[in-house]
Amino acid sequence: EIVLTQSPGTLSLSPGERATLSCRASQSVSSSYLAWYQQKPGQAPRLLIYGASYRATGIPDRFSGSASGTDFSLIISRLEPEDFAVYYCQQYGSSPLYTFGQGTKLEIK
Amino acid sequence: QVQLQESGPGLVKPSGTLSLTCAVSGDSISSSNWWSWVRQPPGEGLEWIGELYHGGTISYNPSLESRVTISVDKSRNHFSLKLTSVTAADTAMYYCARNGFFSLDYWGQGTLVTVSS
Repeated sequence: EIVLTQSPGTLSLSPGERATLSCRASQSVSSSYLAWYQQKPGQAPRLLIYGASYRATGIPDRFSGSASGTDFSLIISRLEPEDFAVYYCQQYGSSPLYTFGQGTKLEIK
Repeated sequence: QVQLQESGPGLVKPSGTLSLTCAVSGDSISSSNWWSWVRQPPGEGLEWIGELYHGGTISYNPSLESRVTISVDKSRNHFSLKLTSVTAADTAMYYCARNGFFSLDYWGQGTLVTVSS
C-alpha cells in the first residue's frame, strides 16, 4: 500500500499570504494519479486538483499543484478567508485503489 | 448539475448491518463513470471503501472486503452499500462520490452512521 504523508500537520498563515502544502508518497506515484481536496467543517470534500496540476471545474486560479518525483505540492498563491480548511491529497492505482493523506489543517494566524 | 444524496439509518446496533443508498441526479448511473463510497470517522481522515461500474465490475478496499457489498439499481439510478458485522469502529460519516479522472469529482453531503446499542 502506498502511504501518503502530508506536511505540515497544521499551517498557520494570514489572509493574503502564500500557502504551500506538501504530500510525499512512500513509492512512485504517477502524476496523473494524484489529486487534492479541500474540506470545510460539516462539508464533504471538494475536488481542487487532479492529475497533480489540473484545476477542477470552478476552482480559482490561485490554487495550483505541482509534482517532483514522489513529492507533490498544493500552492495557494494568495489566501482568501474562505481557504482556511483541511486539505487532503489522494493517490489512485495502488491497492486499495484510492488512498488519502492524513490531511493538513490550514488555519488563520 | 451532478448531485448525489446518501440515505439510510443513522443508528446501527453492534454486529448488525449498515445499509445506505446513494441517489444520483444529473448523470446516469449507466454512464461511463464509476461510483464510490468513502467514509470518515469523526475527527479523522478519509477512507475509500469501494467502487462500482454499472456493468457489474466492483473493487473493494482489502481492509473491508470481507464485510462490504456495493450494488447498483440502474432502474432507480442509485447505488448502495452494505457493511456487515459492524462495530463502534465503523461509526463514521459515509459519503458517496462519482469517480472522475483518477479522483472523486462529485460528492454527496454525507450521512452520519453511529454504531451503538
